[in-house]
Amino acid sequence: EDQVTQSPEALRLQEGESSSLNCSYTVSGLRGLFWYRQDPGKGPEFLFTLYSAGEEKEKERLKATLTKKESFLHITAPKPEDSATYLCAVQAQSDYKLSFGAGTTVTVRA
Amino acid sequence: DAGVIQSPRHEVTEMGQEVTLRCKPISGHDYLFWYRQTMMRGLELLIYFNNNVPIDDSGMPEDRFSAKMPNASFSTLKIQPSEPRDSAVYFCASRQTGTHQPQHFGDGTRLSIL
Repeated sequence: EDQVTQSPEALRLQEGESSSLNCSYTVSGLRGLFWYRQDPGKGPEFLFTLYSAGEEKEKERLKATLTKKESFLHITAPKPEDSATYLCAVQAQSDYKLSFGAGTTVTVRA
Repeated sequence: DAGVIQSPRHEVTEMGQEVTLRCKPISGHDYLFWYRQTMMRGLELLIYFNNNVPIDDSGMPEDRFSAKMPNASFSTLKIQPSEPRDSAVYFCASRQTGTHQPQHFGDGTRLSIL
């Protein structure tokens, strides 16, 4: 069974204080690893897809990286509007389902 | 472009009543997914469809839950009879065919069973 573990559960940052979120996964053949952002009262919003070890994707202050066993989401010089829950999900080669981690809730204080 | 549209946004009903949640996927998307999100269990896949056909319903908790997709632009998730433990946020998502296409989510239905 696919497993996704995210750490830490919660992260409190000062504006401008860079940090990283971790997503460890176990899957029988990775088709893709997905990062989503979820704001309170909203559905998850797609950020990145990573397909193979060594790949990196960037969007504004966010950069996602992938190894064979984990992915990192780096937040550089965060702003209060980066406050959200960040979800990681994996898709196996054999399927179109996503298995989600529990998420990391990031709070950025001005 | 219109995203995934879910209705109602909020539903409060009494135990034993029938509940119907609705979803309109993004036009041109041929996969549709229903999820449930709770604090205890996070986001769980309930069922998904491809070209209106149910592919995997192994996440449906029990026979009280049923889902249909009568056409490419509409799906329902029904709970009958509802129980307090069904209280959760239910999300619908859709995606295009293609190896690495992401799922796009609606804003969910917050369901409270009293």
